[in-house]
Amino acid sequence: DADVTQTPRNRITKTGKRIMLECSQTKGHDRMYWYRQDPGLGLRLIYYSFDVKDINKGEISDGYSVSRQAQAKFSLSLESAIPNQTALYFCATSESGSAGELFFGEGSRLTVL
Amino acid sequence: AQKITQTQPGMFVQEKEAVTLDCTYDTSDPSYGLFWYKQPSSGEMIFLIYQGSYDQQNATEGRYSLNFQKARKSANLVISASQLGDSAMYFCAMNILNRDDKIIFGKGTRLHILP
Repeated sequence: DADVTQTPRNRITKTGKRIMLECSQTKGHDRMYWYRQDPGLGLRLIYYSFDVKDINKGEISDGYSVSRQAQAKFSLSLESAIPNQTALYFCATSESGSAGELFFGEGSRLTVL
Repeated sequence: AQKITQTQPGMFVQEKEAVTLDCTYDTSDPSYGLFWYKQPSSGEMIFLIYQGSYDQQNATEGRYSLNFQKARKSANLVISASQLGDSAMYFCAMNILNRDDKIIFGKGTRLHILP
């Protein structure tokens, strides 16, 4: 089993729907991140969390919210999805006090029609 | 604020040649880390190499080396003896250590290795 698991892996939805992407990890890392990847734009940081009580906005948090339900779980929500949120979303973890190497999930491809 | 710039959207290189992928960064903080990740067509993100701002020597990992030029704020990835399997998207990234520690990425370079 993967150390960082994202569900769903693929999702097609309609404008205005609420969507939740879930991430769970078995690495025991404190730090978790959500990125989105768009062609030509690389990976952009949406939100990050360094422990259960610590949530921080990244570069592009508008239109998104997150929940850190436990050390191992970090969910990303789109309250009212819009077409320009169509992207590949990655969850990642890293270890506190380390150089910061990220361990990525396999990605969740979201299409908003 | 920190910033990563990758100026090569795409590159074509003959198999077995060495490849240099450019990365420049911008930060006023003295303590930072620099990373390179590979993303093959299958989509997963693979960590390649790390360089700390205080590291005296350039990082190396097998065929990968990081050409760290602090004064120029550049952190180019060098792949020696390229292979067909090196065809992928490559991302440069950085974090500011012991401050916010969030990791930000450049836009990437798509590398094509030609047989």
